[in-house]
Amino acid sequence: QVQLQESGPGLVKPSETLSLTCTVSGGSVYSDNNKYWAWIRQPPGKGLEWIGYIHHTGSTRYNPSLKSRVAISIDTSKNQFSLKLSSVTAADTAVFFCVRDRVDYFIDVWGKGTTVTVSS
Amino acid sequence: QSVLTQPPSVSGAPGQRVTISCTGNSSNIGASYNVHWYQQFPGTAPKLLIYGNNNRPSGVPDRFSGSKSGTSASLAISGLQADDEADYYCQSFDISLHVRAFGGGTKLTVL
Repeated sequence: QVQLQESGPGLVKPSETLSLTCTVSGGSVYSDNNKYWAWIRQPPGKGLEWIGYIHHTGSTRYNPSLKSRVAISIDTSKNQFSLKLSSVTAADTAVFFCVRDRVDYFIDVWGKGTTVTVSS
Repeated sequence: QSVLTQPPSVSGAPGQRVTISCTGNSSNIGASYNVHWYQQFPGTAPKLLIYGNNNRPSGVPDRFSGSKSGTSASLAISGLQADDEADYYCQSFDISLHVRAFGGGTKLTVL
């Protein structure tokens, strides 16, 4: 079955850009037109926030609250997709999950998550 | 502030039945978008528990069930067990915000 694994720096300085990559195993990022590849975050002790998704065709959709700072890209040759979040502040400190999002609007596969702390 | 509203906590004794509510509005649940539920244990990723209002993925016990009516939905857990103690999140799609919208989460305590 499909598995997802996040990777990237655990510490980012304020005003810099957070960059994370998700590696997909057990399946292909372009095997199903009805699936999207997305990012969700969870601040410490708080709830879940959907960041955005990318389709293997390259089309994207972002949360309007983050749209000006977010970019999600995909590398089908490496079976990976990535997140960039610019101009980070302490409020961006969270566990970031890469997930498989579905055209019928729910998440059926989750990565284990990676903690990113924004601090100088 | 979350788009969908859940009670912060619920509790029940082993063997009992508990329900967790999820309230939305006319832009999400009330707009006929389905409701989905996730279970999250401390320090781990959420897991899909219910999709499409009342469907269980393979491996989820039938003690877990979902329902939806109007602008609200509920998750019911019957025959409560100690290892059901976790955080539960509802989720739907919000057409005005164009986001997968989550509830704030409900912490279930098994007494």
